[in-house]
Amino acid sequence: DAEITQSPRHKITETGRQVTLACHQTWNHNNMFWYRQDLGHGLRLIHYSYGVQDTNKGEVSDGYSVSRSNTEDLPLTLESAASSQTSVYFCASSKGQATSFAFFGQGTRLTVV
Amino acid sequence: SQQGEEDPQALSIQEGENATMNCSYKTSINNLQWYRQNSGRGLVHLILIRSNEREKHSGRLRVTLDTSKKSSSLLITASRAADTASYFCDFGNEKLTFGTGTRLTIIP
Repeated sequence: DAEITQSPRHKITETGRQVTLACHQTWNHNNMFWYRQDLGHGLRLIHYSYGVQDTNKGEVSDGYSVSRSNTEDLPLTLESAASSQTSVYFCASSKGQATSFAFFGQGTRLTVV
Repeated sequence: SQQGEEDPQALSIQEGENATMNCSYKTSINNLQWYRQNSGRGLVHLILIRSNEREKHSGRLRVTLDTSKKSSSLLITASRAADTASYFCDFGNEKLTFGTGTRLTIIP
């Protein structure tokens, strides 16, 4: 069965370190998204991609980067982790058609100490 | 910046009662979708309503859409303990933009 997986599920890192969160989908979806979820803020869009070699900034992109070298993967990199980036991160993918809906990964809980 | 939101932020009802939550948005849309999130898990798609539809049903779910008021409502009838979750609307068309969510608690 097709799926979308995130790894790791939990990560503790130190301030200033570079961290990469993986997202892999086997739906062959064009669109992929990264969100962070914090209490009181709902889901905030970090970066998104509409296809290979395409990346776009979301509303909270500072301190984060993504690259899309193939259809299946959209890794999220925190260049220099900060305590403010402690959060739960969700990856999602969708076909990209007007009536398509998204599938979400199970989330990665990141703690920056 | 938030382009829309759900209300209420939290809702507690007795099992068997109906639950209604609302979504307001600021941009024009092609369709609007509702998702559910169980605690600590990823979102799961519930239902989609197109901009030219006013009402849609799926099992115990009923969604309405009023594009003139830029609002939608989700009604869950005969609620069950398993409906306890957070509910989000997506009004971002292809971009997947969510509100802050409604946390629904069903009291057994």
